[in-house]
Amino acid sequence: AQTVTQSQPEMSVQEAETVTLSCTYDTSENNYYLFWYKQPPSRQMILVIRQEAYKQQNATENRFSVNFQKAAKSFSLKISDSQLGDTAMYFCAFMKPAGNEKLTFGTGTRLTIIP
Amino acid sequence: DAGVTQSPTHLIKTRGQQVTLRCSPISGHKSVSWYQQVLGQGPQFIFQYYEKEERGRGNFPDRFSARQFPNYSSELNVNALLLGDSALYLCASSSYDRDSNTEAFFGQGTRLTVV
Repeated sequence: AQTVTQSQPEMSVQEAETVTLSCTYDTSENNYYLFWYKQPPSRQMILVIRQEAYKQQNATENRFSVNFQKAAKSFSLKISDSQLGDTAMYFCAFMKPAGNEKLTFGTGTRLTIIP
Repeated sequence: DAGVTQSPTHLIKTRGQQVTLRCSPISGHKSVSWYQQVLGQGPQFIFQYYEKEERGRGNFPDRFSARQFPNYSSELNVNALLLGDSALYLCASSSYDRDSNTEAFFGQGTRLTVV
């Protein structure tokens, strides 16, 4: 079974600064997908960024980028130029390809952006 | 286009009662998944349905059941409610391709409180 670990329950950073959220996972699969989801107080899960394990290049979406280290089973999220609207819970998630769409989530990191 | 809609948004039930939660996927999406998110934790996978068939089931007791209708909407039923069933129940829909990964879009959830 796959497991996802987020070791930072809470983080805070000043507006406009850069913050990195950590995630490690455990799997015996060689091919899989990794995701970062954002859950603001509205409760709706929003996909921030995703990485396919067979791709060497780290995914980037505007101010959000990942550092994917497959051998170390590490998948960190970097948020640059942080904004007040980035305040939310952030969840790292894992999915095996094909079969079904089961997402395995970590316990989350509560990120607060300080004005 | 409307996103994933869930109803009701909140409800309170008494131990031992039964509850039905509803989810309407994004138009054109044929896959619906259900997750349980207990306070302070990441979502846990309960079911996935695709084309009215169960494609995946998480580690939940038989008190939990679901079904998908011809219009691809879905219901999650929980019988004999326990206090521990109190949680946010999230529904996600996707266009689901068995051979490749697709993005899951989440609704805002139903907050169930069991007293």
